[in-house]
Amino acid sequence: AQTVTQSQPEMSVQEAETVTLSCTYDTSESDYYLFWYKQPPSRQMILVIRQEAYKQQNATENRFSVNFQKAAKSFSLKISDSQLGDAAMYFCAYRSASLTSGSEKLVFGKGTKLTVNP
Amino acid sequence: EAGVAQSPRYKIIEKRQSVAFWCNPISGHATLYWYQQILGQGPKLLIQFQNNGVVDDSQLPKDRFSAERLKGVDSTLKIQPAKLEDSAVYLCASSLTDRGMVSSKAFFGQGTRLTVV
Repeated sequence: AQTVTQSQPEMSVQEAETVTLSCTYDTSESDYYLFWYKQPPSRQMILVIRQEAYKQQNATENRFSVNFQKAAKSFSLKISDSQLGDAAMYFCAYRSASLTSGSEKLVFGKGTKLTVNP
Repeated sequence: EAGVAQSPRYKIIEKRQSVAFWCNPISGHATLYWYQQILGQGPKLLIQFQNNGVVDDSQLPKDRFSAERLKGVDSTLKIQPAKLEDSAVYLCASSLTDRGMVSSKAFFGQGTRLTVV
């Protein structure tokens, strides 16, 4: 079974600075997707960024980028120019790319609480 | 565009009582998911529907939890009887994905916070 580990329960960053959130995962599959989700106090999970395992190029979405190291099974999120609105819980998630079973469940880590200080 | 709608937002019940949650996915989304998020943890999939059929319910405690998606649109999740450890946020999500298609993005609702006392 796949597992996702986030080793940083809490992180803090100064406004306008850069912060990196860590994530490692364990799988025997070669093709899969990795995600970072943001969960503000409203509880709604919001997709921040997605990476396909077969792509070597790291995904980027505006101020958010990832460092995907497939051999090391590492998937960190970098937030540049941090803003007060970035404060939230951040979850790393894994999803199999296999279409044979049809199951597309997301396997989540325990999350990292990000605080942004003004 | 309307998002995933869930109700109620909050629910407090006593143990051994019953409770039901409702979810209306984004129009046209074939896949619907129910996740359980216990405080301090990431969400865990309870059940996945493809249209009105169950694709994955391997982590659903079937002795007390049930879910249905009649007509392949909205869905209800029921707990009967509730236990203290069922206190959690119940998140509903939906996606366009159909069998054979490339996986698409899942959209989440705001969840229902259940407290069992």
